[in-house]
Order: sequence, then C-alpha cells, then structure tokens
Amino acid sequence: DGGITQSPKYLFRKEGQNVTLSCEQNLNHDAMYWYRQDPGQGLRLIYYSQIVNDFQKGDIAEGYSVSREKKESFPLTVTSAQKNPTAFYLCAISTGRNYGYTFGSGTRLTVV
Amino acid sequence: QQQVKQSPQSLIVQKGGISIINCAYENTAFDYFPWYQQFPGKGPALLIAIRPDVSEKKEGRFTISFNKSAKQFSLHIMDSQPGDSATYFCAAVISSGSARQLTFGSGTQLTVLP
Repeated sequence: DGGITQSPKYLFRKEGQNVTLSCEQNLNHDAMYWYRQDPGQGLRLIYYSQIVNDFQKGDIAEGYSVSREKKESFPLTVTSAQKNPTAFYLCAISTGRNYGYTFGSGTRLTVV
Repeated sequence: QQQVKQSPQSLIVQKGGISIINCAYENTAFDYFPWYQQFPGKGPALLIAIRPDVSEKKEGRFTISFNKSAKQFSLHIMDSQPGDSATYFCAAVISSGSARQLTFGSGTQLTVLP
C-alpha cells in the first residue's frame, strides 16, 4: 500500500480490554491520520499528527488514544472507554504531492 | 459545517452504462476535491481529483464535473465495467501546512452487472 503498513489485519478484543493498532510508514511523511469506517457512515477522523510528539483530536476521539514518538509510527489504542469499537480502522498519510491521502490496508477490530 | 453529502447510497448499472455519483458541500474553505475507490477489505485508493477553479477533469473513463456556484461535484464513470464494482467516496480537503484534513461523503456502493 505505497509504503504504509497496518497490523494486524484482524483483531479481536474482549470487553474491558485495551488494544493497540499499529501503523508504520517508510515514506518520510510528516502527517499521519487515523480513520474509523462503519457501514453506511463513510470515514470519520479519530486523531491526526502533523509532526513527532504532537497530535490532534479528530471528530470522534473519545475512547481512543495515540502517540507519535517516531516519524514512522503512529499507533492507535482503542481503550475500554470506547463502547462500540467494532469497526474497520484505517491509517493514512498525507502525501502532499496530490493533496490526497495514501491509506493502509486497514485493521478490522471485533469485540468478542 | 464540514459536511459532505453524497448520493446515492447504492447504485446498480448494466455493463457499458454510465454511473453517476453526486456530492454537495457547504464549506467554501475546501480547496481540493478527491474521489476514492474502495474494494472490500482494502483501504480506499485515490481515483481522481479536482481543484475548485476547474469545471471538469477527465482521466480515462472517469470524469469529475465541478460546479463551484452550486457547491456540487460529481463522478461519472463511462462504459462501466464489472471490475468497477466498489464503494466510491467523495471527499473535500482543507489544507493547513503539511496537513490535509479530509472530510468524506458517506459512500456509494456501485454494482455493475455483467
């Protein structure tokens, strides 16, 4: 997916458990994003980061946390405070070249 | 309000037909309008995009028409093929430094019948 890797592809979470989704990029881009996708609702922004050690809340940040300790990595933690975490999670980078995003292949999270 | 409204929610066309998906926005600060194509289990991929100072952009069978005064834009897929069956998202971009904040439409599930 153009230098952006998400893992794992599938993830199962028990009630009350925190889980962390990985997003790594090797394209040396500054801006990284996390989106949540639910059927019929499009993509909603959770968090984004423009530079290392800085990140901003998106539209639906409650119940999620992120870190940006390295330029290449922007992990997303889904906490127990997120009451409806089952969704498809997408990480993206802003390529700048075409004003668009390059997305990873996604992580499908399911609560069991 | 950074909302982008997309219609229809689903679309079925015959092979060789024209698929048309429409989007509307309110925020005049948007400075770029991309369309994404998503296949099941995959991340969205940039398909085609347009700036607001251009009324039409064509790439192969895909054309964006843009009406700045009406704040509307649409995707036309000519000679639709079964391989075009996917979910299509319109989006609107606000640029700030190196960051690009995208607001997405709710998506259109396109099915092209053979």
